[in-house]
Amino acid sequence: DAEITQSPRHKITETGRQVTLACHQTWNHNNMFWYRQDLGHGLRLIHYSYGVHDTNKGEVSDGYSVSRSNTEDLPLTLESAASSQTSVYFCASSDPSKGLVFAEAFFGQGTRLTVV
Amino acid sequence: GESVGLHLPTLSVQEGDNSIINCAYSNSASDYFIWYKQESGKGPQFIIDIRSNMDKRQGQRVTVLLNKTVKHLSLQIAATQPGDSAVYFCAENNYGQNFVFGPGTRLSVLP
Repeated sequence: DAEITQSPRHKITETGRQVTLACHQTWNHNNMFWYRQDLGHGLRLIHYSYGVHDTNKGEVSDGYSVSRSNTEDLPLTLESAASSQTSVYFCASSDPSKGLVFAEAFFGQGTRLTVV
Repeated sequence: GESVGLHLPTLSVQEGDNSIINCAYSNSASDYFIWYKQESGKGPQFIIDIRSNMDKRQGQRVTVLLNKTVKHLSLQIAATQPGDSAVYFCAENNYGQNFVFGPGTRLSVLP
């Protein structure tokens, strides 16, 4: 079955280190997104991509970067991890053929990142 | 700016009763709305969506109502079951721009 997977599921890192979270989907969706989830804020969009080599900043993009070298993967990099980036991170993908770029986003299981 | 909120942060219902989860949005230009369900330790799961040219849409045991006059969205779950216990998010979208999610409502189903 097609799916979207994130790795690792849990990560502890030190302040100032570079961290990369992986996201891989097998639906062949063009649209992919990264969100962070914090208590009291719901899901906030970090970066998104509409296809290979396309990347766009979301609401809370500072300190994060993404790259899209193929359809299946959208890795999220924290350039220099900060304690404020401790959060649960969700990757999602969707099918733009439905006519809405954000229609029916399918989410991964999440990565819990702790920056100490 | 855009914002999405929920009237009730927690909701407890008896098994078998109907549940109603409410959501207020502030951007009158939003044209698409989605309800997601998130179980503990899992990613959000799509439940149902509605376009702004509709005021009601039904799925299996769920109904979404949209009142554009007062910018209000609700999710109705019929015959609530223990498996419905989760956090529910509404999200709004404006002409294909970013979805804005609310903080969520926790639904607890009592035996």
